[in-house]
Amino acid sequence: DSGVTQTPKHLITATGQRVTLRCSPRSGDLSVYWYQQSLDQGLQFLIHYYNGEERAKGNILERFSAQQFPDLHSELNLSSLELGDSALYFCASSGNLGQGSLEAFFGQGTRLTVV
Amino acid sequence: LAKTTQPISMDSYEGQEVNITCSHNNIATNDYITWYQQFPSQGPRFIIQGYKTKVTNEVASLFIPADRKSSTLSLPRVSLSDTAVYYCLVGEFSGYALNFGKGTSLLVTP
Repeated sequence: DSGVTQTPKHLITATGQRVTLRCSPRSGDLSVYWYQQSLDQGLQFLIHYYNGEERAKGNILERFSAQQFPDLHSELNLSSLELGDSALYFCASSGNLGQGSLEAFFGQGTRLTVV
Repeated sequence: LAKTTQPISMDSYEGQEVNITCSHNNIATNDYITWYQQFPSQGPRFIIQGYKTKVTNEVASLFIPADRKSSTLSLPRVSLSDTAVYYCLVGEFSGYALNFGKGTSLLVTP
């Protein structure tokens, strides 16, 4: 158990809809990262938040947005869903931004299926 | 993070030692080398990290030559359960984007 909790585990929704994925980081971790992993694809970095502020953006679509709340949990909002958005979405957390560690802890993911 | 290059896939038999090499020619002075393991439909798991020479833990060893332009993850006596994707990351800290790339898909067979 990594200590990172993602909900829901599975989500099936129709095209055009909007969904919210939730992530609770490990206790004390200030950083939250979101990733998308489609079938046969590597992990695609979407966005990174640190203590409520956006720190880095990857290939995140304009239809997607995220935020990190004062209690450090984070939500990833996906709107106008398309079939191609079907994927595993992972959240990861890590501690402070200090040097010397690339260690992050991943949740079990949310499997999104768009039909 | 520095750009890394690693093989797309590798095969091994149970009980053998597996070495996965990662090239990172543009590694910076303050960069660390980190490896993750990912099983199907699970999130990646940190397995080992090093700066120079050799690091060993209960899961793997990491060999880093003096010039640090490459590194080798060594898995001793692999079992079927070591079948996974292994990612090499190089960077100073996790403060920005952790880009994983496609990793090396290791298949262990009987």
